Amino acid sequence: GAVVSQHPSWVICKSGTSVKIECRSLDFQATTMFWYRQFPKQSLMLMATSNEGSKATYEQGVEKDKFLINHASLTLSTLTVTSAHPEDSSFYICSASVSTRGDTQYFGPGTRLTVL
Amino acid sequence: AQSVTQPDIHITVSEGASLELRCNYSYGATPYLFWYVQSPGQGLQLLLKYFSGDTLVQGIKGFEAEFKRSQSSFNLRKPSVHWSDAAEYFCAVGHYSGGSNYKLTFGKGTLLTVNP
Repeated sequence: GAVVSQHPSWVICKSGTSVKIECRSLDFQATTMFWYRQFPKQSLMLMATSNEGSKATYEQGVEKDKFLINHASLTLSTLTVTSAHPEDSSFYICSASVSTRGDTQYFGPGTRLTVL
Repeated sequence: AQSVTQPDIHITVSEGASLELRCNYSYGATPYLFWYVQSPGQGLQLLLKYFSGDTLVQGIKGFEAEFKRSQSSFNLRKPSVHWSDAAEYFCAVGHYSGGSNYKLTFGKGTLLTVNP
């Protein structure tokens, strides 16, 4: 149980285009979803937290107009990287929690984004 | 500010040998502590967690961790390592930030290599 999927698993796009990444909780309803970014050989950095039906809460330094997060249902959250640039290339990971406390998070497999 | 330190970037052990991965945290209150494992191409899998109570926590795959408040440590141990344990291991502390926002702060990870 507690499976989280992400789609796509990898994507290559041209600079200036937008890319949408989906995160789904497959066998539970996720009250809260989190989006992380992981650089090579680095830790996971929290980008934003979203609760179903509410606006996402972004971490300091994360551009909310660039990284659009939508949590329209209890099983789906999307991250859209708008006007992507090479520096946005990274590994994006989502997680989901059944409680607003988020104390136990279940992670998706991640999405590798490469911007040319 | 909360922080997690994993002093060892890379550890190599022989199959069958014992393992200890170190984790130190900085947090003002009683922390929620986690160990996750990340295999290539896969999401983070929760090994174990500590919220309160018994300071020796048992997890999946034969792992255990001990919370030592006096040392601000939460080291992960396994008595006999299997080749399939080769992966990246992340320690994390859960805490509330800015009121009700819950977040995980991760260490930079320890890469475990297992020699046959």
